[in-house]
Amino acid sequence: DGGITQSPKYLFRKEGQNVTLSCEQNLNHDAMYWYRQDPGQGLRLIYYSQIVNDFQKGDIAEGYSVSREKKESFPLTVTSAQKNPTAFYLCASSITGLSTEAFFGQGTRLTVV
Amino acid sequence: AQTVTQSQPEMSVQEAETVTLSCTYDTSESDYYLFWYKQPPSRQMILVIRQEAYKQQNATENRFSVNFQKAAKSFSLKISDSQLGDAAMYFCAYKVTSGSRLTFGEGTQLTVNP
Repeated sequence: DGGITQSPKYLFRKEGQNVTLSCEQNLNHDAMYWYRQDPGQGLRLIYYSQIVNDFQKGDIAEGYSVSREKKESFPLTVTSAQKNPTAFYLCASSITGLSTEAFFGQGTRLTVV
Repeated sequence: AQTVTQSQPEMSVQEAETVTLSCTYDTSESDYYLFWYKQPPSRQMILVIRQEAYKQQNATENRFSVNFQKAAKSFSLKISDSQLGDAAMYFCAYKVTSGSRLTFGEGTQLTVNP
């Protein structure tokens, strides 16, 4: 089955620790995205990547880092510099330059205590 | 930078009635795509409908249709014959044709009353 997989579904970390969220897709999509969702604030773009070994900052990149070493994978690291990391994180992928929709993972709920 | 604005944080509709969700966007591009996504309580994002900016005809998918006004930069979603299963958060999204950046609005929480 083709799709996009995020893991884990729930993640707990202590304040001050870095944590990496996994996102894998087998749809052969070029573009991948990370969004943060907070109540009442919709989906805010953290980072996106159009091609392997290249990525661009979104609107709220501070305190986050990404890598795109393989087409299928786009992990997101939430660093200790992120002031309020507790949120729901969504990963998505799409084909570049076409009107085909983005496909989303199930999301990861990160709680920092 | 492109921005997408949904001015209605919450909307409600009676079952079988029609409701319209509003979306406006700001862009200097002429070629782009617009989308409406639905996010039910499961939080899985589901595409509802898409519109290519070069097409003048409004997109329709069964009970869902859009009113695309390019000059006004407006992209509203009409849900006809509302069903209980339509209750969800609805997001409007924008994507420029030449790139990949996908920008979402703040969302509208739709409640369907029986």
